Amino acid sequence: GAVVSQHPSRVICKSGTSVKIECRSLDFQATTMFWYRQFPKQSLMLMATSNEGSKATYEQGVEKDKFLINHASLTLSTLTVTSAHPEDSSFYICSAKGGNYGYTFGSGTRLTVV
Amino acid sequence: KNQVEQSPQSLIILEGKNCTLQCNYTVSPFSNLRWYKQDTGRGPVSLTIMTFSENTKSNGRYTATLDADTKQSSLHITASQLSDSASYICVVSPILTNAGKSTFGDGTTLTVKP
Repeated sequence: GAVVSQHPSRVICKSGTSVKIECRSLDFQATTMFWYRQFPKQSLMLMATSNEGSKATYEQGVEKDKFLINHASLTLSTLTVTSAHPEDSSFYICSAKGGNYGYTFGSGTRLTVV
Repeated sequence: KNQVEQSPQSLIILEGKNCTLQCNYTVSPFSNLRWYKQDTGRGPVSLTIMTFSENTKSNGRYTATLDADTKQSSLHITASQLSDSASYICVVSPILTNAGKSTFGDGTTLTVKP
């Protein structure tokens, strides 16, 4: 079946630094990947849609200069949280469309900014 | 506005018992409905995917039903196990060219106790 690998699973960084999260589709090509943010006991919130070879489409209220998305290949999308602050601490999850109607999620990244 | 409402918000059952989770949606035009299981601190894992013409679909002890007329879906868990403790998320997608604007329910938190 479709597998999406997300790395790292956990990261702790200092306030003001940048953090990069990778999302890879291991056994299929994903022209479109999605990035979500999830706060405790809440559902996933779509942040942006990442399109291979073009600019990402951000949801309303998401700062594109703060959350940089790059989708340089059909199997890799990255999310970089720039100048991270404690309020950016959250659970970030990617997903990719694989197979018929199926969206496969990565295992998530727990970001803690101290 | 597309909405997905899940009920109950949380549920506690004893191991071995059955339970049913509900999902009502207003997403239109409808493409597909997916149920995911999300363990704490992990990404969602797909349980079932149903399109307009499908009324029921099973995946082991999980059985999902869909009534596209009333826009309701249910997820029935049979002979629950402790490992079923998780959040169950209903996701509904409209018919769009990129199929990316899925609407997520807030999830039902299931706790299975011994």
